[in-house]
Amino acid sequence: GENVEQHPSTLSVQEGDSAVIKCTYSDSASNYFPWYKQELGKRPQLIIDIRSNVGEKKDQRIAVTLNKTAKHFSLHITETQPEDSAVYFCAASPQTGANNLFFGTGTRLTVIP
Amino acid sequence: KAGVTQTPRYLIKTRGQQVTLSCSPISGHRSVSWYQQTPGQGLQFLFEYFSETQRNKGNFPGRFSGRQFSNSRSEMNVSTLELGDSALYLCASTPRGAGGSSYEQYFGPGTRLTVT
Repeated sequence: GENVEQHPSTLSVQEGDSAVIKCTYSDSASNYFPWYKQELGKRPQLIIDIRSNVGEKKDQRIAVTLNKTAKHFSLHITETQPEDSAVYFCAASPQTGANNLFFGTGTRLTVIP
Repeated sequence: KAGVTQTPRYLIKTRGQQVTLSCSPISGHRSVSWYQQTPGQGLQFLFEYFSETQRNKGNFPGRFSGRQFSNSRSEMNVSTLELGDSALYLCASTPRGAGGSSYEQYFGPGTRLTVT
């Protein structure tokens, strides 16, 4: 089955700096890669996603890149703000048309004011 | 549109009992997936339902089961509870589920199950 690895497990940055979280996946058939943000005690929220036919996607301060050959994808947050502090999860969907996600182990991001 | 709702939000059970959790997807969403979240194992896929049929199943024992009703609402059941079943159980709904590319999943607030 699909195996998603995520690094780092914790990340601290100064407000205004950039943060990068990296994930690798094992199943070359995976074709959908979402990122979720989970604040303490709250539900995971979809913040951005990318499909296997796209190499990069950007939404304001957030961007995701995908390298299918190397089977890795990354989340980039620029101009970080204290409200970006949360746990971020990457995920991969191994089947076209299926809605089962395999998640990474999460990155706890702390933005220091 | 109202978001995904789950009931109950909190539940305390004893070992050996069984439990049923409920999930109401976003109106119009036909696919419901269930996940277990624990500090040790993270977020793990349990199963997915579409049009009242289980379409995918994760690597969990048969004590974990589910079903979906004609209105897309879904329930999951855990029988013979074990201490290790203590977790946050999340459901997620997706706007489409029949073929094509995978679609965005929107999570409910979860049900926090504690087994004592």
